Amino acid sequence: DAKTTQPNSMESNEEEPVHLPCNHSTISGTDYIHWYRQLPSQGPEYVIHGLTSNVNNRMASLAIAEDRKSSTLILHRATLRDAAVYYCIRAGGGSNYKLTFGKGTLLTVNP
Amino acid sequence: DAMVIQNPRYQVTQFGKPVTLSCSQTLNHNVMYWYQQKSSQAPKLLFHYYDKDFNNEADTPDNFQSRRPNTSFCFLDIRSPGLGDAAMYLCATSREIDTQYFGPGTRLTVL
Repeated sequence: DAKTTQPNSMESNEEEPVHLPCNHSTISGTDYIHWYRQLPSQGPEYVIHGLTSNVNNRMASLAIAEDRKSSTLILHRATLRDAAVYYCIRAGGGSNYKLTFGKGTLLTVNP
Repeated sequence: DAMVIQNPRYQVTQFGKPVTLSCSQTLNHNVMYWYQQKSSQAPKLLFHYYDKDFNNEADTPDNFQSRRPNTSFCFLDIRSPGLGDAAMYLCATSREIDTQYFGPGTRLTVL
């Protein structure tokens, strides 16, 4: 049970921002929100993770709702190389550190 | 620069013939994971080693075994592959319960 809900697919144009939503309404207080992506024919790749505050790194930004029941992965300028399946995953400390992948969102980037 | 290496990238075996997939890492991470990813599905955790401690997922078939002779190497043994075991097998590592780094995967074909 992935315990997160994401749209099956989204489409974007190159060099435009992309907002990928994720619902995790039953998240516990110790669960982090992780995002991984999987490019075609490759293993998953870490993108970003956060607990409560919004997070930024060189790949993306993560905006977490105040009630933590949802989050949004933001790609500021999509490139063709960002076309991938994006997975939003809840994982926390203790025995809940393992990643349970849901179906993810297939992002298509149009030139 | 390769950090998580999986060999071979493609493996063909016959129905019922034992097969071993290998994973090595240069990150000196203490946790190593094996995932199975069937076509158009999300990765599914089979088991992992936390240091030398083996942790099997409840629904992983007995047909799947693993060995970790040292920190750097981990093997996935499929004792009697069936047609349903054809999949991409992904190895991942992490330092404690931190970010997971995935290898490129081994695609297994069962004839």
